[in-house]
Amino acid sequence: TQLLEQSPQFLSIQEGENLTVYCNSSSVFSSLQWYRQEPGEGPVLLVTVVTGGEVKKLKRLTFQFGDARKDSSLHITAAQPGDTGLYLCAGGRSSNTGKLIFGQGTTLQVKP
Amino acid sequence: NAGVTQTPKFRVLKTGQSMTLLCAQDMNHEYMYWYRQDPGMGLRLIHYSVGEGTTAKGEVPDGYNVSRLKKQNFLLGLESAAPSQTSVYFCASSQRGGVQETQYFGPGTRLLVL
Repeated sequence: TQLLEQSPQFLSIQEGENLTVYCNSSSVFSSLQWYRQEPGEGPVLLVTVVTGGEVKKLKRLTFQFGDARKDSSLHITAAQPGDTGLYLCAGGRSSNTGKLIFGQGTTLQVKP
Repeated sequence: NAGVTQTPKFRVLKTGQSMTLLCAQDMNHEYMYWYRQDPGMGLRLIHYSVGEGTTAKGEVPDGYNVSRLKKQNFLLGLESAAPSQTSVYFCASSQRGGVQETQYFGPGTRLLVL
């Protein structure tokens, strides 16, 4: 059973289109992180959100944490081929262990 | 700084063989983690360490052992490899264990068990 469900699992779009990736859970998290992973490399942190309803923007990427801290979304405006990659959400709980629970990932392909 | 490095990058094992994966970080981080990544499964935590000399089980620890004898190194061992352990293994480190901490990942080790 996946504690964090991402949707869609695969997305192929044309350059310039907008898209949204969702990360949902029935559990509450203290934080929600989004990572991006390129082929042959390890994930790299994009953003951390910790407050219910929080919205963070990173250039063309907008991240939102749900009011109840059970879900999050990643919206990309005017996608570019350089946005191609695997996007992973990861939930953290209140502890000092650093343990994260990852979603299964969303593979994004942006065609020129 | 090299960040997080992993050795080897790729390995093929036969069922029953043993091996050790090495992770090294040069950021003086306290926490280190071993994950495995399988298609459609995201990353799953195998073992982690909150400091030199300490280790703890993660989500999928069976068939693996770890050691953290030095702060900068975290070793993952497979005593008797099984085909189900074919995966990509990632090591990560973080300064602390708080919910806002950034985990820095290595480039991964691809393991094929025949």
